[in-house]
Amino acid sequence: IAGITQAPTSQILAAGRRMTLRCTQDMRHNAMYWYRQDLGLGLRLIHYSNTAGTTGKGEVPDGYSVSRANTDDFPLTLASAVPSQTSVYFCASTLAPGNEQFFGPGTRLTVL
Amino acid sequence: GQQLNQSPQSMFIQEGEDVSMNCTSSSIFNTWLWYKQDPGEGPVLLIALYKAGELTSNGRLTAQFGITRKDSFLNISASIPSDVGIYFCAGQPPYAYSGAGSYQLTFGKGTKLSVIP
Repeated sequence: IAGITQAPTSQILAAGRRMTLRCTQDMRHNAMYWYRQDLGLGLRLIHYSNTAGTTGKGEVPDGYSVSRANTDDFPLTLASAVPSQTSVYFCASTLAPGNEQFFGPGTRLTVL
Repeated sequence: GQQLNQSPQSMFIQEGEDVSMNCTSSSIFNTWLWYKQDPGEGPVLLIALYKAGELTSNGRLTAQFGITRKDSFLNISASIPSDVGIYFCAGQPPYAYSGAGSYQLTFGKGTKLSVIP
């Protein structure tokens, strides 16, 4: 089924641990994005990638890193998780920057 | 940066009623998008608007791109229980405002819709 998949669906993590959230799309979209969604704050952009091999910082990049080795995958890594990173994380993609974005189902992360 | 004001924050309506929500911005946008998010799921695109003045329908949903390029509204006619969810507007600023060629979307904080059967 075409679309965006995210893994894991949910995770409880001890503070200080390293965690990678996975995102894969099979629509051959060039641009991909990572957002976090928090109550009262809406969707905030963490990092983006306009095309394979390039990445950029969004509104709230601190504590997160990304890589874009190929078109399909865009993993988000928390090098040393902190409780303030407890959130729901959404990956999104679009055919070209500026077009409408399509979202994955999300990963609910709890950092204790 | 770009700021989007979405209103109302929440609505409780009777099944069968029409609904209207809107987003306004202090700056212009090239694109307006409307998404719906069901509990525990990701936002799903409802309508995309690309031209000032454009009026687009998708079933019972109608959205318009304001002439000033600083606002958009979404109407839902004859609401049904499955319309429950959070509706987000999102705007795409002109390239020059995006910074670093990112074409970032700016999202409203959402309108939570509850439908009373």
